[in-house]
Amino acid sequence: DGGITQSPKYLFRKEGQNVTLSCEQNLNHDAMYWYRQDPGQGLRLIYYSQIVNDFQKGDIAEGYSVSREKKESFPLTVTSAQKNPTAFYLCASSITGARSNQPQHFGDGTRLSIL
Amino acid sequence: GENVEQHPSTLSVQEGDSAVIKCTYSDSASNYFPWYKQELGKGPQLIIDIRSNVGEKKDQRIAVTLNKTAKHFSLHITETQPEDSAVYFCAAGGTNAGKSTFGDGTTLTVKP
Repeated sequence: DGGITQSPKYLFRKEGQNVTLSCEQNLNHDAMYWYRQDPGQGLRLIYYSQIVNDFQKGDIAEGYSVSREKKESFPLTVTSAQKNPTAFYLCASSITGARSNQPQHFGDGTRLSIL
Repeated sequence: GENVEQHPSTLSVQEGDSAVIKCTYSDSASNYFPWYKQELGKGPQLIIDIRSNVGEKKDQRIAVTLNKTAKHFSLHITETQPEDSAVYFCAAGGTNAGKSTFGDGTTLTVKP
């Protein structure tokens, strides 16, 4: 089955640590996205990538970094500079990112908590 | 940039009743309006979408209407069932490359 796999499902971070969230897709989609979801709030865009080796900042990129070395993979690193990292992180993909007029397919998320 | 407002934030209906969720958007150039359903602990899933060249679209018990002049669109669920209970998100896109803007979500509870 084609889809998006996020791992791990739950992740704990100590103060001052960087952590990396994995996102893999086998849908052959060009575009990939990272969102942050806080309780009672919508989805806020962290970073997005329209094509391999290219990515752009979203609305809340500070304290996060990404890479897009392969079409299938778009890992997100939550750095120690992110002062409030506790949240539910969602990865998504779409066929193309040239225009945001295609549906996005989401993974089942990673819940990050601070120890 | 685009701004999407979604109402209500919570909605409770009796099984069998209809539910309506409304969204407004600010960018008149937006031309793609998807709706997503998110169940607890899962990622959102697309349930229906509409493009600006269409005023209404229906898929079984779910329908979406779009009023481009007023810049608002709505999700209609008829004959609601307990399994419809979830958080529903609207979004607007089609202009900025790669970026859609999401509403804050509506928590729908269908009481048996």
